[in-house]
Amino acid sequence: KNQVEQSPQSLIILEGKNCTLQCNYTVSPFSNLRWYKQDTGRGPVSLTIMTFSENTKSNGRYTATLDADTKQSSLHITASQLSDSASYICVVSWRGVYSGGGADGLTFGKGTHLIIQP
Amino acid sequence: ETGVTQTPRHLVMGMTNKKSLKCEQHLGHNAMYWYKQSAKKPLELMFVYSLEERVENNSVPSRFSPECPNSSHLFLHLHTLQPEDSALYLCASSQDGTGSHEQFFGPGTRLTVL
Repeated sequence: KNQVEQSPQSLIILEGKNCTLQCNYTVSPFSNLRWYKQDTGRGPVSLTIMTFSENTKSNGRYTATLDADTKQSSLHITASQLSDSASYICVVSWRGVYSGGGADGLTFGKGTHLIIQP
Repeated sequence: ETGVTQTPRHLVMGMTNKKSLKCEQHLGHNAMYWYKQSAKKPLELMFVYSLEERVENNSVPSRFSPECPNSSHLFLHLHTLQPEDSALYLCASSQDGTGSHEQFFGPGTRLTVL
């Protein structure tokens, strides 16, 4: 069964500190992995996308890593800001299982709720 | 966020009502999606449309009925809903439905069923 597990469920850190969010998955056949940021009351916004051959990808203060062997990913946030308070969702895409192969499957994690305190 | 718009942003309805959610994308994409987001649960994919054809409906109850008249518009028609259907309903679009491209999400419709 395709699953995406994220940890921790919630996290509170002080402004300016670094943090790392974890994502473990059991998805096959793997296509890509994305991290999304979802602010309260808004739709998710993509931060990074990584394919099987990519180990790390950065987007400003966000750095995602992928270990395809252990099926683990992490999202590291450097020098956190108050605006980083949000839910961070890990999404794993798996190849063409829908009828006619017209679309890939997506398995979503429950997200990590991050709160940055001043 | 303005690339995908959703209306209404908030909706309260009784179990006997009929209402529709609307989604419009201005990105020239060929695939559109409906998701349900409930508290403390992962996003649930409800429907996928690729080139205006439904690709997968994920065994969603028939009280939810999607409609995709063209590649820019997507509707979710609601009738005889249950209180457990209360959730945030998100629309998304992507260049195609292969999963290789980023999905752009709308702001969602917060639905409350009384």
